[in-house]
Amino acid sequence: EAQVTQNPRYLITVTGKKLTVTCSQNMNHEYMSWYRQDPGLGLRQIYYSMNVEVTDKGDVPEGYKVSRKEKRNFPLILESPSPNQTSLYFCASSFTTNEKLFFGSGTQLSVL
Amino acid sequence: GNSVTQMEGPVTLSEEAFLTINCTYTATGYPSLFWYVQYPGEGLQLLLKATKADDKGSNKGFEATYRKETTSFHLEKGSVQVSDSAVYFCALRRENFNKFYFGSGTKLNVKP
Repeated sequence: EAQVTQNPRYLITVTGKKLTVTCSQNMNHEYMSWYRQDPGLGLRQIYYSMNVEVTDKGDVPEGYKVSRKEKRNFPLILESPSPNQTSLYFCASSFTTNEKLFFGSGTQLSVL
Repeated sequence: GNSVTQMEGPVTLSEEAFLTINCTYTATGYPSLFWYVQYPGEGLQLLLKATKADDKGSNKGFEATYRKETTSFHLEKGSVQVSDSAVYFCALRRENFNKFYFGSGTKLNVKP
């Protein structure tokens, strides 16, 4: 089954404790991206990647890192999480940006 | 800059009512326009898209027409069902760019 898999679904952590949210797709998609969803603000793009070893900033990259060492994986790293990073995070992928985005089920992160 | 503005929700309708969710955009050039739907607890799914002016996207009884003169992409459905209850997001992708811009989402509640 074609899918984008994010883990974990829920995560509660404390300020400053490094964490990684994983994202994997099984569709051989070149394009992958991360979004955060906040009430009243919709989805805002954090980072995106056009292919292996090619990443670029979205609209809200501060406080986040990504890597794309393999085509299927695109982890989101928070080196020192802060409470303002409490949000619902989505990973998405597509073959190209002209194609529809496939979204993961989301990761609800709470930073205390 | 690039942005998408949607009508605020929630929108509450009775089953079989007519639905309109307004979406207007700001972008240079000729963006592609999308409607995504998010069911409770899930990621977003593409509902329909249009890639050039006067194109009409349609799917599952939903329609939206790309109106460049009014920079709009309003979502319509003639007869909603309870199963249409979800959050609807309007989005754009700028021509030759790899970033997507999403509206804030409109929650639709359909009552039996």
